[in-house]
Amino acid sequence: DAKTTQPPSMDCAEGRAANLPCNHSTISGNEYVYWYRQIHSQGPQYIIHGLKNNETNEMASLIITEDRKSSTLILPHATLRDTAVYYCIVRRNYGGSQGNLIFGKGTKLSVKP
Amino acid sequence: AAGVIQSPRHLIKEKRETATLKCYPIPRHDTVYWYQQGPGQDPQFLISFYEKMQSDKGSIPDRFSAQQFSDYHSELNMSSLELGDSALYFCASTPPQRGGSTDTQYFGPGTRLTVL
Repeated sequence: DAKTTQPPSMDCAEGRAANLPCNHSTISGNEYVYWYRQIHSQGPQYIIHGLKNNETNEMASLIITEDRKSSTLILPHATLRDTAVYYCIVRRNYGGSQGNLIFGKGTKLSVKP
Repeated sequence: AAGVIQSPRHLIKEKRETATLKCYPIPRHDTVYWYQQGPGQDPQFLISFYEKMQSDKGSIPDRFSAQQFSDYHSELNMSSLELGDSALYFCASTPPQRGGSTDTQYFGPGTRLTVL
């Protein structure tokens, strides 16, 4: 699975959009971009994933560049409860043959009042 | 919606003792993963099971073993506990794969193991 690079920390004002970048320049054509977050000592929480098209769900939006070498997770209106470590993970869809997640260092997002 | 259940949530053991952690996947999920997260560390994959068979193995010590039962719940058995085994242990589950759908992993709340 491809390696990802994320900034170690970011701050965001409450109510503003939080844009979390991720570089994955060695991504392969069959690899997806997944985002998880971990609020202090809780289990990692799935946020969103995508292959090449932009994706949106009730939690966030995922913007993937056309060359797929980087992506941005967007939390449109950050709240204090969004303070967490955000992990960008690149992995294949194993489709029946299972595969573990490889967590990097992630980005510690601090949402401030 | 039902989530992954882990028990116990907290466990305190002495060195050289044994511990058993349990994971109950989301109903109808057939794959279970175990991860270990040491203090200040990121989660690290230990082992996984698919349809009751071990499917992948990560950095799991020989002192640890695991299995998945017929009802798909899984147990992580840890023997000869060491101080360094103190960590959060997470279980995650994924649904059966159909038509090339992605295998998103859903995590439980974790078990905090403290070895004294």
